[in-house]
Amino acid sequence: GIQVEQSPPDLILQEGANSTLRCNFSDSVNNLQWFHQNPWGQLINLFYIPSGTKQNGRLSATTVATERYSLLYISSSQTTDSGVYFCAVVDGQNFVFGPGTRLSVLP
Amino acid sequence: DTEVTQTPKHLVMGMTNKKSLKCEQHMGHRAMYWYKQKAKKPPELMFVYSYEKLSINESVPSRFSPECPNSSLLNLHLHALQPEDSALYLCASSQGLAGGNNEQFFGPGTRLTVL
Repeated sequence: GIQVEQSPPDLILQEGANSTLRCNFSDSVNNLQWFHQNPWGQLINLFYIPSGTKQNGRLSATTVATERYSLLYISSSQTTDSGVYFCAVVDGQNFVFGPGTRLSVLP
Repeated sequence: DTEVTQTPKHLVMGMTNKKSLKCEQHMGHRAMYWYKQKAKKPPELMFVYSYEKLSINESVPSRFSPECPNSSLLNLHLHALQPEDSALYLCASSQGLAGGNNEQFFGPGTRLTVL
């Protein structure tokens, strides 16, 4: 099956800083999503981005499908951005999550 | 409306109890999923229903029994669970057949504790 890696595993930022999170996957995909899991466990959809670039406010994402990676950019981070960021890809009917990046934004 | 609802939010049960988790969506999605998430780990797929038919069962123990009464509802029946089954149980849905280029939407989860 497809392997999904994310880096860095942990990230601590001061409020207002920018960051880049990376997701690598081992095979071609036609479905990739980024999620933010808040401290209460809710998985919030950030981007559905099998290829190309999308922006939503302070967040943007780029997937380069031919090179098997995706990047999530967070600009001007806020304390409410804290939590775990997952990328997930489809492998057949299975939805495979990466191990996540745990982000802490300090005031 | 991109909402998936789950009840209850929290559940504490003994190893001899029988309980059920419920998931509902009204987005017209035809694929529904159950995931299990242990602390500090990513969600892991348990079951997939496509058009109300079970299409994936990821070698889950028989003490977990899924049910899809209709295209909007998904239940997970629990019986004789073990303490190691304590976890966050997440439900999700997507349009069309499972997999493919369909975006998944998740419910808020049920936090289960087995004593």
